[in-house]
Amino acid sequence: NAGVMQNPRHLVRRRGQEARLRCSPMKGHSHVYWYRQLPEEGLKFMVYLQKENIIDESGMPKERFSAEFPKEGPSILRIQQVVRGDSAAYFCASSPRVPDSGNTIYFGEGSWLTVV
Amino acid sequence: AQRVTQPEKLLSVFKGAPVELKCNYSYSGSPELFWYVQYSRQRLQLLLRHISRESIKGFTADLNKGETSFHLKKPFAQEEDSAMYYCALMTTDSWGKLQFGAGTQVVVTP
Repeated sequence: NAGVMQNPRHLVRRRGQEARLRCSPMKGHSHVYWYRQLPEEGLKFMVYLQKENIIDESGMPKERFSAEFPKEGPSILRIQQVVRGDSAAYFCASSPRVPDSGNTIYFGEGSWLTVV
Repeated sequence: AQRVTQPEKLLSVFKGAPVELKCNYSYSGSPELFWYVQYSRQRLQLLLRHISRESIKGFTADLNKGETSFHLKKPFAQEEDSAMYYCALMTTDSWGKLQFGAGTQVVVTP
């Protein structure tokens, strides 16, 4: 099992451009989570998705950020009109179903976004 | 709202010395607690979860509900333990939504 795959690992964007981060969950996992790690801070939950559904987006900024997990293909975290404050590491995680005492959330290696 | 506090940003220990990383949480219910480790710019790896009560790489952690703590301990630190350690909490009403502490950087020097 290849694990949670994220790409690109590193992305540089100019202010005002769009950033798209992709996440392929572990095989057999249908739940995806996105977290953001700002410099010198811990990870902050952004959004929880199942196939074609957003379950919890309470951590998503109200503007410019969106996420999807289509029926086919990877989950996408999209940031429009990026600003310097969006520079961070974005981690994707997945689980086979709702994590309970028998399950675990597995993380990808992260995508580092730098806005110049 | 739930909160996870890791009071130490940096912990520097000598190889072979004991190491303890503090984690306190605030949540009125029964949370599930985790420790994750992140080696330099790599993925977060689950180190421990309190319900499994297992020891990984010599680390142990006990949930103390009275003190609302889940401190991580290892009796003899190794150089390969140098990493960032995150304590995290998940609640029964928000499965999948991990609340992380700010992390503790551990540096083990020979």
